[in-house]
Amino acid sequence: RKEVEQDPGPFNVPEGATVAFNCTYSNSASQSFFWYRQDCRKEPKLLMSVYSSGNEDGRFTAQLNRASQYISLLIRDSKLSDSATYLCVVTNSGGYQKVTFGTGTKLQVIP
Amino acid sequence: GAGVSQSPSNKVTEKGKDVELRCDPISGHTALYWYRQSLGQGLEFLIYFQGNSAPDKSGLPSDRFSAERTGGSVSTLTIQRTQQEDSAVYLCASSPRATGYTFGSGTRLTVV
Repeated sequence: RKEVEQDPGPFNVPEGATVAFNCTYSNSASQSFFWYRQDCRKEPKLLMSVYSSGNEDGRFTAQLNRASQYISLLIRDSKLSDSATYLCVVTNSGGYQKVTFGTGTKLQVIP
Repeated sequence: GAGVSQSPSNKVTEKGKDVELRCDPISGHTALYWYRQSLGQGLEFLIYFQGNSAPDKSGLPSDRFSAERTGGSVSTLTIQRTQQEDSAVYLCASSPRATGYTFGSGTRLTVV
């Protein structure tokens, strides 16, 4: 089983739609979680951290479910500019801060 | 500097030549990571530095790949006797701690 797994997509959604991605992780001792966004031919950029209590940033909501070992990202009122690949990131600390990236979920918002 | 700087941004090399890729992390960031990304693929972990030491080199694909970091700052990834399958974007990221990682814009390596 991969350490971090994501549905590669693509998710094709119309403008204004709500879309959700999940990301599962295998190490129950994982400590920190993030969502990154990567545009085509660009480097990944931090979208938001994921906190145990869940957190929201505008149209974006991130949640963590430790019992089921997954994190989620919800995007409301999708914009064309949201089209990108969304990477989940999990950090463990088995001796050092090991960072594992998921392979990403591709989102295409359609006019 | 204000961000993570990588050079060169693009490198075309002939098969069999050696290449050096440079990463200049954000000042004060003790953790530094190298990743590789082939076209349309996810990020492939290569190596992690904490300060000048590399606790995890498990992602280096072969002994043709090596990396070093000096002064707890600049890191160099060296690929010897390049092969066509080495063609990819090589990304460097730095972090002060588990608060998010900032990536450089990468070096696009093409081996012809």
